[in-house]
Amino acid sequence: SQQGEEDPQALSIQEGENATMNCSYKTSINNLQWYRQNSGRGLVHLILIRSNEREKHSGRLRVTLDTSKKSSSLLITASRAADTASYFCATAGNQFYFGTGTSLTVIP
Amino acid sequence: DGGITQSPKYLFRKEGQNVTLSCEQNLNHDAMYWYRQDPGQGLRLIYYSQIVNDFQKGDIAEGYSVSREKKESFPLTVTSAQKNPTAFYLCASSIGNRVTGELFFGEGSRLTVL
Repeated sequence: SQQGEEDPQALSIQEGENATMNCSYKTSINNLQWYRQNSGRGLVHLILIRSNEREKHSGRLRVTLDTSKKSSSLLITASRAADTASYFCATAGNQFYFGTGTSLTVIP
Repeated sequence: DGGITQSPKYLFRKEGQNVTLSCEQNLNHDAMYWYRQDPGQGLRLIYYSQIVNDFQKGDIAEGYSVSREKKESFPLTVTSAQKNPTAFYLCASSIGNRVTGELFFGEGSRLTVL
């Protein structure tokens, strides 16, 4: 399988804390993207980081990419209850390949 | 509003029946995709199309068929040959026909086999 792997599979934190999710992948990539999925809904794009970038910020999101280790991390700072969702990394090489997701629960 | 519309949202099928899931986009995107999502798993690619009248198999195409007669439409047929079709199906599109930008997703169709 060319799917990536997210770690942890599930994460539960208190509101206001930071949440970190990791993604490992197997193939060479053009870019890596993170998506969010609320239960029973479609995926929504959060952020894209290109293969020649090491870090990117967007609001409360911070993404890092280490192509030598084939890994990425997503940090959500000052989490809110509304951040409760599943988060997926997707690698874009010849095709898009999605990881298995991290289920984040933010407790008010 | 621009976006991707999937229908129906919920669909029930008896064993042996073919069903077709609709996906329409008004984003003027060249590429369209169908993914299958099972509980606890990531998205797996069924079929994709980068241009009208052309499509390619993804990782799990067996038991599925697609057509791309119009740029805005990419219907997926789940045939009776698909032995375990109960799943959440997601349609997506992207600008251009190269894997460089983001994917835009519909709200999904949940298929249940009775």
